[in-house]
Amino acid sequence: GAVVSQHPSWVICKSGTSVKIECRSLDFQATTMFWYRQFPKQSLMLMATSNEGSKATYEQGVEKDKFLINHASLTLSTLTVTSAHPEDSSFYICSASSRSRASGGATDTQYFGPGTRLTVL
Amino acid sequence: RKEVEQDPGPFNVPEGATVAFNCTYSNSASQSFFWYRQDCRKEPKLLMSVYSSGNEDGRFTAQLNRASQYISLLIRDSKLSDSATYLCVVRGFSGTYKYIFGTGTRLKVLA
Repeated sequence: GAVVSQHPSWVICKSGTSVKIECRSLDFQATTMFWYRQFPKQSLMLMATSNEGSKATYEQGVEKDKFLINHASLTLSTLTVTSAHPEDSSFYICSASSRSRASGGATDTQYFGPGTRLTVL
Repeated sequence: RKEVEQDPGPFNVPEGATVAFNCTYSNSASQSFFWYRQDCRKEPKLLMSVYSSGNEDGRFTAQLNRASQYISLLIRDSKLSDSATYLCVVRGFSGTYKYIFGTGTRLKVLA
C-alpha cells in the first residue's frame, strides 16, 4: 500500500511554544491530506482537510489560528500547533488520500502516517 | 446519536474462534465504507474496504447492508495477532468529503 510518513514521531515541549508536524506521502501524490487528533481511548477526530494549494477546511470547534495547516505541495502538508498548552497533548495523525479503482467504482482510500505524540508540559 | 456507532467491547475470544463486529451509521447518503485496524499507540491501518456485494480477504469477511445502514466484519479462526481495535469508517459528502470514524471495537484473542 501507499506510504505516508510523519515527523516527528514524538515531541515534548513547554507550554506556550509552537510545534510543527510534517506529513509526507512518499510514493504517491496526495491532493488531499487530513489531520486527526486522538485522545486516549477515544476515536480519531477529524481536525481539518487540507487540499494542495488552497486553504484548509477546519471542522467545527477547531481553531484555525491555533492549528495552522499548510499544504504546499502534492506530497507535503504541515500542521503547526501554536502556543501549545497541556490540553493540546494528544496523538496527532495525518492521512493522505489515494484514489483507486475497486469493485463498484472508484473509491478513495486513506493511508495514515505513524502519528505524532505531543506532550505539552 | 453518533454518526458511526460501534460496540466498544472488549470482545475476549479464544484462539480459533469466529467473532463478528457490527457498526451502524446514521447518514443514508454515505458512500464508502472501510474497516481499519489500530494497534495500541499506533496509527490505523486499512484492513479492507466494504462493498455492497460483500467481500472476503482470507479469514476476514465484510458485509454492507445499506437498507439497515450497518456494516459487519467477521473474523474466522482468530489468531493472537488479531488482537487490536477495529475501527469502522464511513465516508460521505456534506459540503466536502469526510471520513467519520467509529470509536472502535477492542478484540482480545486469548491463548
